[in-house]
Amino acid sequence: AQKITQTQPGMFVQEKEAVTLDCTYDTSDPSYGLFWYKQPSSGEMIFLIYQGSYDQQNATEGRYSLNFQKARKSANLVISASQLGDSAMYFCAMRDGIISNFGNEKLTFGTGTRLTIIP
Amino acid sequence: DADVTQTPRNRITKTGKRIMLECSQTKGHDRMYWYRQDPGLGLRLIYYSFDVKDINKGEISDGYSVSRQAQAKFSLSLESAIPNQTALYFCATSDWDRSNTGELFFGEGSRLTVL
Repeated sequence: AQKITQTQPGMFVQEKEAVTLDCTYDTSDPSYGLFWYKQPSSGEMIFLIYQGSYDQQNATEGRYSLNFQKARKSANLVISASQLGDSAMYFCAMRDGIISNFGNEKLTFGTGTRLTIIP
Repeated sequence: DADVTQTPRNRITKTGKRIMLECSQTKGHDRMYWYRQDPGLGLRLIYYSFDVKDINKGEISDGYSVSRQAQAKFSLSLESAIPNQTALYFCATSDWDRSNTGELFFGEGSRLTVL
């Protein structure tokens, strides 16, 4: 069963607008972590933001924020004031289980969303 | 220099050839991983290792083998490459003892083409 679902294969957004990239997840474990990574055309994977399942507040990192809706099992990435440099592939990923529990040390990735910022 | 280094960065080979992708890290992390990326499929886990004595299969280990030669080195082998192993391969590390997230740190990727 798909653990991480990203339903938007591609998105086009006007520069300076905000953009929301969707991510839903499936787990029965009460403890888990959610990640977003950015992959520019050069290919490297860049960590953007992390949300723990017990975190009380939505994570924020500069222009990135994570809209965490636990009951809906969604962890959407919001990019405010988009820039041309935001054009990239974006991946949502999940870690099941309590960190440092033996066997939980791996991430499952979604299929990604290709974001294109239009000048 | 990158903290997680993959060699080669690009490789073109023929069906049936043996290929080794190497990964070395200077981060001092104990966990190392190999993922492959295919268009439309995201990243899928091939193998992972918690320490030198521990190797675990991921979701797509068939056709691959790995070796953890040292804490800092984790290599991926394709004993007899086939065209559907054409992909972008990533090595990654994590430090679960000191991290509060389990974030993965990736190498720059190795693009493999099997003709």
